[in-house]
Amino acid sequence: DADVTQTPRNRITKTGKRIMLECSQTKGHDRMYWYRQDPGLGLRLIYYSFDVKDINKGEISDGYSVSRQAQAKFSLSLESAIPNQTALYFCATSIRGPDEQFFGPGTRLTVL
Amino acid sequence: DAKTTQPPSMDCAEGRAANLPCNHSTISGNEYVYWYRQIHSQGPQYIIHGLKNNETNEMASLIITEDRKSSTLILPHATLRDTAVYYCIVSSWGDNYGQNFVFGPGTRLSVLP
Repeated sequence: DADVTQTPRNRITKTGKRIMLECSQTKGHDRMYWYRQDPGLGLRLIYYSFDVKDINKGEISDGYSVSRQAQAKFSLSLESAIPNQTALYFCATSIRGPDEQFFGPGTRLTVL
Repeated sequence: DAKTTQPPSMDCAEGRAANLPCNHSTISGNEYVYWYRQIHSQGPQYIIHGLKNNETNEMASLIITEDRKSSTLILPHATLRDTAVYYCIVSSWGDNYGQNFVFGPGTRLSVLP
């Protein structure tokens, strides 16, 4: 079983719709992250959470919100989706130290 | 602002060593160098990280220059499955870890048969 799972894996929606992307992890990590990747580019940090009571904006948080429901769950919401939010979205987890981030398989979101 | 500079693409013959360079001339004393790779559109995969000393694991070796302004990731015997985009990232440890994980465009490595 995967340690970091994302649902849905693919989603097509229309402009103006509210969308929620979910991330769950079984690694027991406190820190969770949401990234966005546009074609041909690297990943950009949207939001991150260092524990259940902690939420922080990343580089490109406008148009997004997050919820950390539990240590294992971190959701990303697009309140009113727009076409330029069409992208590949990744969730990741880590411990506090300098070790690696573990990434989920990604959610491909298309906003028409 | 990008803290690392990598060539956009490289080729390597199968079975040969792949040497991927990265410049990070503004690295701070408390910043680590991390390498990840992304195969197709999968989630990035951690490869290795280091602070000052050279590091080696089952996947690769990381060579960091003495002044820490550049590093090289070495895949000792590249296979076709190593074809991917490789990202070099510098990030501080401690409370700020993860805040400034910047994935630039990376290097697209093509391993040729």
